[in-house]
Amino acid sequence: GAVVSQHPSRVICKSGTSVKIECRSLDFQATTMFWYRQFPKQSLMLMATSNEGSKATYEQGVEKDKFLINHASLTLSTLTVTSAHPEDSSFYICSASQQSTDTQYFGPGTRLTVL
Amino acid sequence: QKEVEQNSGPLSVPEGAIASLNCTYSDRGSQSFFWYRQYSGKSPELIMFIYSNGDKEDGRFTAQLNKASQYVSLLIRDSQPSDSATYLCAVRNNRYGKLTFGQGTILTVHP
Repeated sequence: GAVVSQHPSRVICKSGTSVKIECRSLDFQATTMFWYRQFPKQSLMLMATSNEGSKATYEQGVEKDKFLINHASLTLSTLTVTSAHPEDSSFYICSASQQSTDTQYFGPGTRLTVL
Repeated sequence: QKEVEQNSGPLSVPEGAIASLNCTYSDRGSQSFFWYRQYSGKSPELIMFIYSNGDKEDGRFTAQLNKASQYVSLLIRDSQPSDSATYLCAVRNNRYGKLTFGQGTILTVHP
């Protein structure tokens, strides 16, 4: 149980384009999902907290107009990187909080490369 | 002072030995403590969580929490080469709230 999926696993795009990443909790309902970014040899940095049916809460320094988050259902959250630039290239990881166990489970991550 | 601090390592232990990973945190209001393992190029996977002072054992893994000292550790017994990974300590100060991660400790178990 407690499986979280992400799609796509890897994406390469041109500078200026937008990329959407999906995060799904497959076998549980996740009232809260989190989006992280991880640069090489660094730890995870929380970008935003997403609650189903409400606006996401962004961490300081994260541009909400650039990283659009939608959490339309209890099993799906999406992150859209708008007008991506090479400096946005990173490993994006979502996690979902399983309410019954109070534990976050991570998706497999999406590696974004912006050319 | 960082909110969650770990020795970055790398920590190298021989196969079969005990690996000891340490983590300190600054927020005394922290309530939940997690250890994740992350293989290179992969996302973190949960190893253990601990809420109460003392030890919690799960197979070869033991988490130890000392809230007075603001210290949490992870012991890996009978270390295997497959345990070689980065170990992330994470702390949460309220239920369902966000996790704050340490920078991770790189563990290498050599045959």
